[in-house]
Amino acid sequence: GENVEQHPSTLSVQEGDSAVIKCTYSDSASNYFPWYKQELGKGPQLIIDIRSNVGEKKDQRIAVTLNKTAKHFSLHITETQPEDSAVYFCAALTNQFYFGTGTSLTVIP
Amino acid sequence: GAVVSQHPSWVICKSGTSVKIECRSLDFQATTMFWYRQFPKQSLMLMATSNEGSKATYEQGVEKDKFLINHASLTLSTLTVTSAHPEDSSFYICSASSRGTNSYEQYFGPGTRLTVT
Repeated sequence: GENVEQHPSTLSVQEGDSAVIKCTYSDSASNYFPWYKQELGKGPQLIIDIRSNVGEKKDQRIAVTLNKTAKHFSLHITETQPEDSAVYFCAALTNQFYFGTGTSLTVIP
Repeated sequence: GAVVSQHPSWVICKSGTSVKIECRSLDFQATTMFWYRQFPKQSLMLMATSNEGSKATYEQGVEKDKFLINHASLTLSTLTVTSAHPEDSSFYICSASSRGTNSYEQYFGPGTRLTVT
């Protein structure tokens, strides 16, 4: 089955700086890659996604890039704010969703 | 749009009793619903996948008789934890998907915190 690895597990940045979280996957059949933000005690919320026929997608301060050849995709958050602090999960879809292990992001005011 | 609700948000029950958790898609028809379990500071572990009107497909290691899943309509799925024990204490999260030609999105509920005493 698919194997999704996510790095780093924890990330601290100063407010206003950028944050980058990277994921790799193993199954070339994966064709959809969402990113979720999970705040403490809440369910994950979809923040951005990308499909395998696209290399990059941007939504305001958030962007995702996909390299199908290398089988990796990344989440980029620019101009970080304290409210961006949360756990972020990547996922890859083949016959089911496979999740990364999560990145705890802390934005320091 | 794409709102998924769960009820209850938290529940405490005694060992040996059963607990039912409801998952509802409020503004779309969910052809598929997923049930996950999440331990503190860990990722989501898929327990089962259910399609409306058919039996759920359970992941390896998940006891079908202990975690009963019903997906009776396109907007409601239920997870019943039968004869709960303290080791069943966890955060249970459902998600809903409407698989169409152009839709792969999966939307999560807010989760249910189960504590078994």
